[in-house]
Amino acid sequence: KAGVTQTPRYLIKTRGQQVTLSCSPISGHRSVSWYQQTPGQGLQFLFEYFSETQRNKGNFPGRFSGRQFSNSRSEMNVSTLELGDSALYLCASSDLKANTEAFFGQGTRLTVV
Amino acid sequence: AQSVTQLGSHVSVSEGALVLLRCNYSSSVPPYLFWYVQYPNQGLQLLLKYTTGATLVKGINGFEAEFKKSETSFHLTKPSAHMSDAAEYFCAVSEGGTASKLTFGTGTRLQVTL
Repeated sequence: KAGVTQTPRYLIKTRGQQVTLSCSPISGHRSVSWYQQTPGQGLQFLFEYFSETQRNKGNFPGRFSGRQFSNSRSEMNVSTLELGDSALYLCASSDLKANTEAFFGQGTRLTVV
Repeated sequence: AQSVTQLGSHVSVSEGALVLLRCNYSSSVPPYLFWYVQYPNQGLQLLLKYTTGATLVKGINGFEAEFKKSETSFHLTKPSAHMSDAAEYFCAVSEGGTASKLTFGTGTRLQVTL
């Protein structure tokens, strides 16, 4: 089985712009979660989608949003980018029937200048 | 709310020495516990997990961890370090019986010296 695929791997954006990141989960996995990783704040949960519905949300401003499509692929969007949004964004997929493991992609490195 | 504390942001061991990375958790319900490893510019790879059952859990690459409820700990060990073990290690906890929302510790960077 192919793993979790995140695109693009690297991205450079200017303050004020918006960005969309993509995540394709492992085939058959219906839960997709997003995390932000920064040196200062570490790994923080953004949100989780299951069957096209947001099930859980972390403590991030409304500029951070996401969605999930019928094929379980997910996108996250950040609007009005700030310098502090520079981070590694990680996506994880889970098979909730098996319940017990999250598989991570390699991440998208976003740099805001 | 759940939380994870990893003692020691940097740990250095000699090749062949014991590796011990500490993790304590806080959870209001029986937790699921995980250890992940991250190499530079990579995602997270699961080393091992505890859900229910046997409290001593064996993972990949010779790592193991023991769930101690009385101490709210889940320390990661490996009897003999290898140079390839140099990486960052994260302990994580989830509640609610799934792995879809994880709370991570701040990570421990393991250095292995000759």
